[in-house]
Amino acid sequence: GQQVMQIPQYQHVQEGEDFTTYCNSSTTLSNIQWYKQRPGGHPVFLIQLVKSGEVKKQKRLTFQFGEAKKNSSLHITATQTTDVGTYFCAGPVTQGGSEKLVFGKGTKLTVNP
Amino acid sequence: DTGVSQDPRHKITKRGQNVTFRCDPISEHNRLYWYRQTLGQGPEFLTYFQNEAQLEKSRLLSDRFSAERPKGSFSTLEIQRTEQGDSAMYLCASSLWVGWGGQETQYFGPGTRLLVL
Repeated sequence: GQQVMQIPQYQHVQEGEDFTTYCNSSTTLSNIQWYKQRPGGHPVFLIQLVKSGEVKKQKRLTFQFGEAKKNSSLHITATQTTDVGTYFCAGPVTQGGSEKLVFGKGTKLTVNP
Repeated sequence: DTGVSQDPRHKITKRGQNVTFRCDPISEHNRLYWYRQTLGQGPEFLTYFQNEAQLEKSRLLSDRFSAERPKGSFSTLEIQRTEQGDSAMYLCASSLWVGWGGQETQYFGPGTRLLVL
């Protein structure tokens, strides 16, 4: 069935280093969303990408949607300890005649100060 | 504050007992999702509703789990005869689904943490 896959599962960086997480879908997505879950918290919506090749920035975070709309990436420049958490991508997937948002398994980012 | 509330926030129960969790979504949202999350893992889909209709239930979900959304507003998730393996965070999320290929964003509640002893 359709899946949304994320790599890597874990990433440990030194503060100030860059970080990238990748999301891939087996099928074309109409849009892709990114969420962040802080330790002990719940997932919180960050951003949505809709257009092929779209790039959006939020301060040190850069989100990209692939040309084929089957992959996406989140890049954090010069990580800070406040970036710690798990980053999830999510895309609408059709299953059983209905469409729902499906989450990747997430990339857990830890930052060494 | 996302507007989605869950009650209780924490629940400790003994194995074999039944538990019920409640989720109140954002009022104008027509979809409501239930997820289970264990430590270090992503949200695992359990079931979801569009208005009062339960559209999908995960095949991973045993018959001990049941969910309702009787009036298309709040929802309850009941676990019967709890087992230690049911210990997890149960997350609820709501969204406004406007149609195929639409931009559905989920807003999560704070979750109910269940511990089965």
